[in-house]
Amino acid sequence: DIVLTQSPATLSVTPGESVSLSCRASQGISTSIHWYQQKSNESPRLLIKYASQSISGIPSRFSGSGSGTDFTLSINRVESEDFSVYYCQQSYSLPLTFGSGTKLEIK
Amino acid sequence: EVQLQESGPGLVKPSQSLSLTCSVTGYSITSNYWGWIRKFPGNKMEWMGYISYSGSTSYNPSLKSRISITRDTSKNQFFLQLNSVTTEDTATYYCARCSYGSYDWFAYWGQGTLVTVSS
Repeated sequence: DIVLTQSPATLSVTPGESVSLSCRASQGISTSIHWYQQKSNESPRLLIKYASQSISGIPSRFSGSGSGTDFTLSINRVESEDFSVYYCQQSYSLPLTFGSGTKLEIK
Repeated sequence: EVQLQESGPGLVKPSQSLSLTCSVTGYSITSNYWGWIRKFPGNKMEWMGYISYSGSTSYNPSLKSRISITRDTSKNQFFLQLNSVTTEDTATYYCARCSYGSYDWFAYWGQGTLVTVSS
């Protein structure tokens, strides 16, 4: 199985700051990575597909980059509604796997 | 708009079977792929498997022969059965619609249902 390692586990930031969340794959997966946001007591929401492709209805401050084994989700000027947990997920091979998540919290 | 809703018992005894239903509105389950994902206490997420538009299935090998995903197209529902559960199967279970034409990512999710395995 492909293991996805997300870092950091927790990121404490002030609203208005810009942040980068990392996801590293245990083997090369091209751009087969997708990012989700999950707020407390809600279902996950797709933010980015195939590493960098935007999703309709998602604010433009969210962007993704990377290929191979290293991927990044960037949030430009974090807003209060962005404090939640972020997961990456790979679709390069079955079984589909998720990272362990990065919690974005208010400093 | 696609909507998914999980339903089923919130409490299951060890060694018994867990059975959940995903009811879908706004989209036919005879199109696309449909999956089950669970989230354990502590935030770990696990893909359990999918059922395709044709009824074919794929499962996470970690669940070995314990899992079965089926469907009822007349009711636009699909189902999860997990046999021989243990306390380690305690999780929030989500059903989801996958991406267009593939199972790569999850476009729409149900609200999730917490299943606790306990005697």
